[in-house]
Amino acid sequence: DTGVSQDPRHKITKRGQNVTFRCDPISEHNRLYWYRQTLGQGPEFLTYFQNEAQLEKSRLLSDRFSAERPKGSFSTLEIQRTEQGDSAMYLCASSYTSGYTDTQYFGPGTRLTVL
Amino acid sequence: GIQVEQSPPDLILQEGANSTLRCNFSDSVNNLQWFHQNPWGQLINLFYIPSGTKQNGRLSATTVATERYSLLYISSSQTTDSGVYFCAALEAGGFKTIFGAGTRLFVKA
Repeated sequence: DTGVSQDPRHKITKRGQNVTFRCDPISEHNRLYWYRQTLGQGPEFLTYFQNEAQLEKSRLLSDRFSAERPKGSFSTLEIQRTEQGDSAMYLCASSYTSGYTDTQYFGPGTRLTVL
Repeated sequence: GIQVEQSPPDLILQEGANSTLRCNFSDSVNNLQWFHQNPWGQLINLFYIPSGTKQNGRLSATTVATERYSLLYISSSQTTDSGVYFCAALEAGGFKTIFGAGTRLFVKA
């Protein structure tokens, strides 16, 4: 298993365009998280999936943001009508819940720059 | 929602020194994790520690859930320990993981 992967690693777009990011979690991890991180800050929670169900969504996630996890496997995060304030690193993490641990494993992130 | 505070915000150490990083959280949590973000931005999990003490090599962590804090100990620091250390808490009864602002560590050779 190669860990959590994210694609693309970098994305430059013009304001107003739509972008979509993909996250492939570690196989058989039932939990998947999206975060956003800006320079000098800790990751901010965006949304959480348990299998294919989206169970928690931050108020940070405006109606321009949507996330899916079809069939409980990979996940996509779409941002519509991008704004310069959306420029950030978007991080995905996955975990497997057992009685003893729920450690989150992070992907390398997708760095978004909105011009 | 839960608040997570880390101290100190910045720390400079001479190689070989020991240090203690602190994480305070404002409410009950279901779990507490420590992460290291390396200079290339990759977040690596160090400990999953909702309570008790764990050790892994030169690193150890202790969480006292009843007093709402966790400590990360780094002994005999090395230059490769440089980076940002985050603690992250999962709100009790919820699914939202909240990160602290981090402690930025620089270890000098």
